Amino acid sequence: GQQVMQIPQYQHVQEGEDFTTYCNSSTTLSNIQWYKQRPGGHPVFLIQLVKSGEVKKQKRLTFQFGEAKKNSSLHITATQTTDVGTYFCAGLIIQGAQKLVFGQGTRLTINP
Amino acid sequence: NAGVTQTPKFRVLKTGQSMTLLCAQDMNHEYMYWYRQDPGMGLRLIHYSVGEGTTAKGEVPDGYNVSRLKKQNFLLGLESAAPSQTSVYFCASSNRWGQYFGPGTRLTVT
Repeated sequence: GQQVMQIPQYQHVQEGEDFTTYCNSSTTLSNIQWYKQRPGGHPVFLIQLVKSGEVKKQKRLTFQFGEAKKNSSLHITATQTTDVGTYFCAGLIIQGAQKLVFGQGTRLTINP
Repeated sequence: NAGVTQTPKFRVLKTGQSMTLLCAQDMNHEYMYWYRQDPGMGLRLIHYSVGEGTTAKGEVPDGYNVSRLKKQNFLLGLESAAPSQTSVYFCASSNRWGQYFGPGTRLTVT
């Protein structure tokens, strides 16, 4: 079953507002990856976090990996209309074989 | 580099028909994957391959078969299509940094 939960499922904001999506796993993750999918497009790799407590920034996007490596978040500061899309987290679980498990995604819409 | 390509982009099948989706990558990646994406369900892994000549089942393998005869190609087959297989299918390949997705195939089964 689904081992990586992502919330919220949907988020609508006014342009300029901040946005955060959260990812939680029942299992310790080897790493966490984040992807963005524009409407009608395909998922595009954004970043990978590997270390406990790691924080990475890409312009207005801030990614965090929890100390226990079971949760992660993506925060967007001052959203722009180009941020519209669905954001997926994906956790790498190693239990014998490697398995990348995707969250259900958070769909972000923005009112200009 | 073309990255990951998929053919066809769109297809309509009748129940019981068969078809093969082709995925090709030119990044020399060992790992390749097939996902399906349905509204509200995120990405679900159908089958994957860790190298040429190997395949393994993912989360939702029933009704699908795959083959990886060449490193750069990963084929997904539907032997007898069912309406429940109406979906968008994404292929991906990966290196140690992340997965790279193809543009997708939109399949409708009537």
